[in-house]
Amino acid sequence: AQTIHQWPVAEIKAVGSPLSLGCTIKGKSSPNLYWYWQATGGTLQQLFYSITVGQVESVVQLNLSASRPKDDQFILSTEKLLLSHSGFYLCAWSLVGDGQLYFGEGSKLTVL
Amino acid sequence: QQKVQQSPESLTVSEGAMASLNCTFSDGTSNNFRWYRQHSAKGLEVLVSIFSDGEKEEGRFTAHLNRANLHVSLHIREPQPSDSAVYLCAVSRTNSAGNKLTFGIGTRVLVRP
Repeated sequence: AQTIHQWPVAEIKAVGSPLSLGCTIKGKSSPNLYWYWQATGGTLQQLFYSITVGQVESVVQLNLSASRPKDDQFILSTEKLLLSHSGFYLCAWSLVGDGQLYFGEGSKLTVL
Repeated sequence: QQKVQQSPESLTVSEGAMASLNCTFSDGTSNNFRWYRQHSAKGLEVLVSIFSDGEKEEGRFTAHLNRANLHVSLHIREPQPSDSAVYLCAVSRTNSAGNKLTFGIGTRVLVRP
């Protein structure tokens, strides 16, 4: 069975500090991977997607970056957090050519 | 750019009564429609996916799609308190770049015992 694990579950960080959020998918080879973000009270927005190792496409510019160092790993990061980065970050995977997305449990980020 | 709107914003129903949620979208070429559920600050659980006009049932959840009216709905039969959550409509188009889902803001459902 496929599992998707996100870390950390929650973070409280200072403005200007770095951030790294991670996501690992087990049980599925070469999935498409996605990062979504949900501001408090806002809609879910797709931030990045990746169809293969080393390849990441940006969908929305939020002064964040993403990388896919391994087939089963997707990392979201920034060197300097902004207050506006607060929210809930969800990682998801899908099979190639299949629109069904399967989401992780999310990481809650609070920037102070 | 795709716009997805959901109504009502919130809904309170009694246990066992039918709950009905609405979703409208703006891009008439959309052909993938999914309803997700999100319990407070948790991940999303897919409830039902529908790709052609008509009805699709998954357990107690039924989606109705009318692409001509740019409308998809979700009906929850015999809702239980554990169904209390935010329900999200997601719309996409096959083979769109990045398999991008556009979400509505959600309907918050509260099921009273």
